[in-house]
Amino acid sequence: EVQLVESGGGLVQPGGSLRLSCEASGFTFSPYWMHWVRQVPGKGLMWVSRINSDASSTTYADSVRGRFTISRDNAKNTLYLQMSSLTADDTAVYYCARDASLWSGYYDYWGQGILVTVSS
Amino acid sequence: DIQLTQSPSSLSASVGDRVTITCRASQSISNYVNWYQQKPGKVPKLLIYTASNLQSGVPSTFSGSGSGTQFTLTITSLQPEDSATYYCQQSYNTPYSFGQGTKLEI
Repeated sequence: EVQLVESGGGLVQPGGSLRLSCEASGFTFSPYWMHWVRQVPGKGLMWVSRINSDASSTTYADSVRGRFTISRDNAKNTLYLQMSSLTADDTAVYYCARDASLWSGYYDYWGQGILVTVSS
Repeated sequence: DIQLTQSPSSLSASVGDRVTITCRASQSISNYVNWYQQKPGKVPKLLIYTASNLQSGVPSTFSGSGSGTQFTLTITSLQPEDSATYYCQQSYNTPYSFGQGTKLEI
């Protein structure tokens, strides 16, 4: 069974940093491109970032570029999102998601989501 | 960046009805539209990919169509469990974007 389990969320002060992790199991992690998508509670979905299979290529939404870094460790079957210079606008549930077919850009499996709250 | 506009934003229908949700793109995106269903407190679920392909395990009461700038998600024979918010998403290029969502009440 494919599973994606996020961790590392919580409350952080404005200007602070946080690292999210997403541990994958039930499938061979290394060939798949992976994404982070976020959702403000009660609002819509927003794509945040993607990383290719060998981590040689990363892409970001404009609103997070320069502040967030996506990475992966294929040996540990884990995806990461390092977030810095956080603002209240980054408060959201963060999902990791598996790209359904290499670089298809759509997601067939999602993690359960992890809440990040940026507040003083 | 590509903007996606869904209509309607919300709708109410009855069991057994047929409903259509529309997604319009701000530029031509070929058939690179995908549809997700999200129930309250749950994770989004892929229904349709590349405009008209039914994801494995999704009932055939869901279908998608369209190309270019206009796309539709159709749900036939509505069931109570179809109550959810539906999102379109473009995978034509990054930044991948989602529509604002359509809340369907049965």
